[in-house]
Amino acid sequence: QVQLVESGGGVVQPGRSLRLSCAASGFSFSSYGMNWVRQAPGKGLEWVAVIWYDGSNEYYADSVKGRFTISRDNSKNTLYLHMNSLRAEDTAVYYCARGLTSGSYTILGYWGQGTLVTVSS
Amino acid sequence: QSVLTQPPSVSATPGQKVTISCSGSSSNIGNNYVSWYQQLPGTAPKLLIYEDNKRPSEIPDRFSGSKSGTSATLGITGLQTGDEADYYCGTWDSSLSKVFGGGTRLTVL
Repeated sequence: QVQLVESGGGVVQPGRSLRLSCAASGFSFSSYGMNWVRQAPGKGLEWVAVIWYDGSNEYYADSVKGRFTISRDNSKNTLYLHMNSLRAEDTAVYYCARGLTSGSYTILGYWGQGTLVTVSS
Repeated sequence: QSVLTQPPSVSATPGQKVTISCSGSSSNIGNNYVSWYQQLPGTAPKLLIYEDNKRPSEIPDRFSGSKSGTSATLGITGLQTGDEADYYCGTWDSSLSKVFGGGTRLTVL
C-alpha cells in the first residue's frame, strides 16, 4: 500500500533554514509527480510546490517562490522541501502528497500524515 | 483570501442531502478539472472527487461532483455523522499553481 512519511519538522527561528523529507513506499516512486501542501494552525490548505516524476519540472506557490526548493532522490524514494529565510507565516503542518496517477501531477491522491514546522524566536 | 470561493459552513441532518459550492474563474475552474478533498478532524486530507466528477474506487457513491462554467459543486447524499469534516475544492490555475478553496465545514446535526 502507498505510504508517505514526512519528517524534519520542528521549531526554527525566523530567517533560518530547514529541510523536510518524505519517505515513500508501496509504489514506484520514480513514476509519480509529488507535491507539498501546508496547513497553518486552524486554517485551510495551501499548495506549496510540485515536482515532476523525473525532476524535470517544478512549480511553486508565489508565497514561497525564491525561498523554498522542492527536490527528489528517486534512488532513495524520498521527496524533499528545502526551506530558506523562514518566516512566522510559514508555520504550518506540511504534507507530502502523490499524484493520483502517473500522469496527474496535482490530483492529490495520497497524503502523508504531515510534519509540523513552527517558526518562532 | 482564497482564489476559489466556498461557503465557510453548511449543515444538515442525518439522511439528508447537502451541496457545497466552489466558485472560481476562467483562469482556473473554467479551464481545468476540479478535485475535492475531505479532511476529518485531526487527520490528513483525502481525495473524494477528481476530474470534476470521478470517484476513487474506495469512495462511496453518496459523494458526487459536478461542474458548470467557472463553478463546481460537491454533493453528499444520505448524510452520516461520520461525514462531519472540512471539505476543500482544488484545481490548477493559469498562474502555474494549484489553488484551493478556503474550505467548508460540514456539520451533521
